[in-house]
Amino acid sequence: KNEVEQSPQNLTAQEGEFITINCSYSVGISALHWLQQHPGGGIVSLFMLSSGKKKHGRLIATINIQEKHSSLHITASHPRDSAVYICAATGNQFYFGTGTSLTVIP
Amino acid sequence: NAGVTQTPKFQVLKTGQSMTLQCAQDMNHNSMYWYRQDPGMGLRLIYYSASEGTTDKGEVPNGYNVSRLNKREFSLRLESAAPSQTSVYFCASSFRQFTDTQYFGPGTRLTVL
Repeated sequence: KNEVEQSPQNLTAQEGEFITINCSYSVGISALHWLQQHPGGGIVSLFMLSSGKKKHGRLIATINIQEKHSSLHITASHPRDSAVYICAATGNQFYFGTGTSLTVIP
Repeated sequence: NAGVTQTPKFQVLKTGQSMTLQCAQDMNHNSMYWYRQDPGMGLRLIYYSASEGTTDKGEVPNGYNVSRLNKREFSLRLESAAPSQTSVYFCASSFRQFTDTQYFGPGTRLTVL
């Protein structure tokens, strides 16, 4: 059983669409991270949150501690958003989801 | 600032050979991590170092050893490589262990024949 589950595994969207990626976790956590991995492999941290909501440009991350659920939203999606998005929960170590592969078509 | 650097970028080994993956960070971070990434498995923590002088096992430590040489450098050694260790290896660092933003290196693609 995976401690962190992401959905969907794959997502294709038209440019401009609103996108939501979901993350559910089963462990007690101190923080929830969203990472972005572009083709070619580099990994970048997008958000770290332990409660509420954070926004950076067109990206919004929310977390509901009681429901053990987090979402990553992308508004007005663009082809450059095409990447794998990874959710990671941290308690006494990191627990990673297997990622959501997003393709945004022009 | 270079951030987190890793060497080499690519490596091919034969079964039984040994090698060391090097990682360095210039952000004065206390904590450093080694991960492997396999298709369909996501990132898995191999070893981590909460601070200079300490190292701890992660989820998949078997077949690996690490050295936290100083605050900047954290190396990963494969003593006797096996085909199951074919993977992409990422080093990362953060100021505080687990609860801070992590900064990742570019990765090392290792193939063991």
